[in-house]
Amino acid sequence: GAVVSQHPSWVICKSGTSVKIECRSLDFQATTMFWYRQFPKQSLMLMATSNEGSKATYEQGVEKDKFLINHASLTLSTLTVTSAHPEDSSFYICSATGPTANHYNEQFFGPGTRLTVL
Amino acid sequence: AQTVTQSQPEMSVQEAETVTLSCTYDTSENNYYLFWYKQPPSRQMILVIRQEAYKQQNATENRFSVNFQKAAKSFSLKISDSQLGDTAMYFCAFMKRSGSGTYKYIFGTGTRLKVLA
Repeated sequence: GAVVSQHPSWVICKSGTSVKIECRSLDFQATTMFWYRQFPKQSLMLMATSNEGSKATYEQGVEKDKFLINHASLTLSTLTVTSAHPEDSSFYICSATGPTANHYNEQFFGPGTRLTVL
Repeated sequence: AQTVTQSQPEMSVQEAETVTLSCTYDTSENNYYLFWYKQPPSRQMILVIRQEAYKQQNATENRFSVNFQKAAKSFSLKISDSQLGDTAMYFCAFMKRSGSGTYKYIFGTGTRLKVLA
């Protein structure tokens, strides 16, 4: 149980375009979802936290107009990178948690999405 | 502010041997959770083990065990009988409750473990 999927697994786009990444909880209700960014050989950096039906809370230094997060249902959150530039190229990971998944507030991670902006 | 420190950027161990990865953290809280995650080359984050701070007994999961020293704020991971499949990046994580009531992870910088045949 507690499976999280991400789509797409990798995407290449041109500079200036927008890219949407989906994160789904497949077998539990994700009341909270998280979006991370990971550079090569580095740790995960939390970008934002979203609660279902509420606006996302962004970490300091993360541009909320550039990284749009929507968490409209208990099983789906989306991250849209707007007007992407080469410096946005990275590995993006989502995670999810909810009372029906566990009682530890433990996060379950998606497999990640590799974004390359040309 | 809470911080998590992993002082060993890289380690290697011979297959079937035992290795210990260190993690220290800083917090003023009394109740919290600690986790070790494994990130293999596929980059999928996999939970290895969790420890509840109010439990004095060290958590164990098959070949994986922790040495949790609450007073010293230390949370090391011991891998026994290392296998080639244990080759991965290992992250220590501290879970804290934010001001909004959401529980967040703070990750360490990671230790890259290579198991040698």
